[in-house]
Amino acid sequence: DARVTQTPRHKVTEMGQEVTMRCQPILGHNTVFWYRQTMMQGLELLAYFRNRAPLDDSGMPKDRFSAEMPDATLATLKIQPSEPRDSAVYFCASGLERGTDTQYFGPGTRLTVL
Amino acid sequence: AQSVTQPDIHITVSEGASLELRCNYSYGATPYLFWYVQSPGQGLQLLLKYFSGDTLVQGIKGFEAEFKRSQSSFNLRKPSVHWSDAAEYFCAVGARGGSYIPTFGRGTSLIVHP
Repeated sequence: DARVTQTPRHKVTEMGQEVTMRCQPILGHNTVFWYRQTMMQGLELLAYFRNRAPLDDSGMPKDRFSAEMPDATLATLKIQPSEPRDSAVYFCASGLERGTDTQYFGPGTRLTVL
Repeated sequence: AQSVTQPDIHITVSEGASLELRCNYSYGATPYLFWYVQSPGQGLQLLLKYFSGDTLVQGIKGFEAEFKRSQSSFNLRKPSVHWSDAAEYFCAVGARGGSYIPTFGRGTSLIVHP
C-alpha cells in the first residue's frame, strides 16, 4: 500500500532554530505539494513541484522558508529562523500531473515553535 | 482564479441520520471537484471526485456528491451517518488546464452524536 511519508511527525523547537521537514512522495508521482494547516488560516498551499522543479511557491514566506527536491524520492521544507507563528501542521502531498488526479497526503508534521 | 466556499464550519448530526455538507465554487468553466476527509491527527484522504460525465458521483465509505452547474455546488451526502464519520471534510476545486493547483475550502467539522 503506497503512501506518502513525512518525518518527523512532531517537532518542538525554540524560536530562532532551523527546522527541516522531509517528505517521501509515492514512487512514480511527479508532483509534490507542501501545505500548512492552522486553525486560523485553514489549509494553505506553500509550494508546488512538478518533476522536481518548483512551479509555485507564492504562498511561502521567502525570507525564512525554502523548499527543495534534491531527488525524486525526497522533498524538504526548511524554516530558518523559526518563529512562534510558524507553529502549525505541515502536510506534504504527491500526485500525478493530471487535473483529475488525486492528491495523496502524508500524515503531517506538527511543528511547535516556543 | 477558482475559489470554493464551505458555508458550514460545524455540522452536528445524530448517528443514523442523513448528512449533507455544502460546497459552492467559483470558476468560469466546469471545474474538477473533490471531497477529502481528514480524521483527527491524520492527513487528508480522497472521498470522491468529479471531472466529467455523470453528475452524481459515488465515493468511498458510502458517500456521494452531486455536481449542480446551475447552482455552482458540489454537496456531499450520506444517507446514514456512523460515529466513525466524525472528521473534518474539505471540498476542493481545480481548474482545467494550466498548472493545476487545487484550491481547498476551509473545511466543515462533522460531529456525530450517539
